[in-house]
Parts: sequence; C-alpha cells; structure tokens
Amino acid sequence: AQSVAQPEDQVNVAEGNPLTVKCTYSVSGNPYLFWYVQYPNRGLQFLLKYITGDNLVKGSYGFEAEFNKSQTSFHLKKPSALVSDSALYFCAVRLHSGNTPLVFGKGTRLSVIA
Amino acid sequence: GAGVSQSPSNKVTEKGKDVELRCDPISGHTALYWYRQRLGQGLEFLIYFQGNSAPDKSGLPSDRFSAERTGESVSTLTIQRTQQEDSAVYLCASSLARTGTPWTEAFFGQGTRLTVV
Repeated sequence: AQSVAQPEDQVNVAEGNPLTVKCTYSVSGNPYLFWYVQYPNRGLQFLLKYITGDNLVKGSYGFEAEFNKSQTSFHLKKPSALVSDSALYFCAVRLHSGNTPLVFGKGTRLSVIA
Repeated sequence: GAGVSQSPSNKVTEKGKDVELRCDPISGHTALYWYRQRLGQGLEFLIYFQGNSAPDKSGLPSDRFSAERTGESVSTLTIQRTQQEDSAVYLCASSLARTGTPWTEAFFGQGTRLTVV
C-alpha cells in the first residue's frame, strides 16, 4: 500500500525567508509525487509533480521540490516566502503501475508572517 | 465544461436522510476520484474510478456510502442514513491518468459542503 506523511501540521516562516514543507512517502514501487495547495475557501490547485529524471522539480508560483529516493522524501521549497503563500499544502503519491488512486498526506498549514 | 463541477455547493440535511452529491468531470478525463475533507483535516480517499475498470472502493468508510459513474462522465456519491460525523466537504477530482499514464495530475472541483444536523 502507498502512503504519505507530512510530519508538520503547521509551519511558520517570516516573509522573505526560505520555506520548506516536508513530505515523506512509502510505496512498494516507483512513485509519482505531487504537491497541491489549498487557499482559504478555494479548491485544491496543482503546484508541481515529479515523474522521472532531474530530482529538482520547479512548479507554479516559484515553488520547487526535491525528490530524494534514498530518504523517500519530496520536500516542497521556496527561496523567499510571501504572505500570499499562506495556505494548506498537500503532498500526494501514486504508483507507476496499476490502477491505483492518488493518495494524499494530511496537509501542512503554512503561515507566512509579514 | 472548463473544470470539474460539483453540485450542490452546500447541502444541509437532517440526520437519517439520504443525500446525493454530483460531480461532472472535465470532458475526456478517464479517472475520477472522491475525497472527504473534515474541518481542519486532510484529504481522505473514498473511491476511484478508472475507465471501464472496477472502481477502487477501498476508502469508503461504511456501507452507507456508495458511488456510481456513468461511463467516463458524471459521478454521484450517495450517503444513506446520514450521521453527524458525515459532515465534511466532499471533493471530486478528475484526470487523464490511465494505466499507461499515471503521472498526469488531478484537477479538483470546489467541493460540496455537507452539514448533517
């Protein structure tokens, strides 16, 4: 079975500082990994995904994520946080093979303080 | 339509009543997901449809929950004899993902906020 862990319920960071939102996964094969963001009273929006190749993936709004196979992690990063980045962030995983669903972590609430 | 459409956007129902939630996926999307998000919580997987394959129902919390999908089109999630713990936002998503292309991202609707009183 596949699963995703987001160890932090809440991350606080000052505006202009770098941010990291952590994600680790557990699968019995090769994963596809995704990050989504949920702004208040809005639906989930896709940010970025890892398929294969370069371990550093760049996505929307200046976010990037680094795939680390040995640590089974896919942490979301941004060099300089904005107040408008404050939202709920979800990591998700799907297996390469078979008809498997997209499985999400519990989410991490990011607060960027001016 | 341009995106995933869910209806109703809000539903208030009395405990014990049945409710039906509807999802119109993006045209051409073969995969469709239902998730539940309780207040302040993460996304809980409910059910997954992929083309003509048998749906993955492994996330349905009880036999009061069921879902159907007509071909690669509309899906309805039915909750029978609703309980207060069913109160949540029910999210639907669709994607182009097939057995051979599981890397495609899912697009989410705005959700149906269900309140059981």
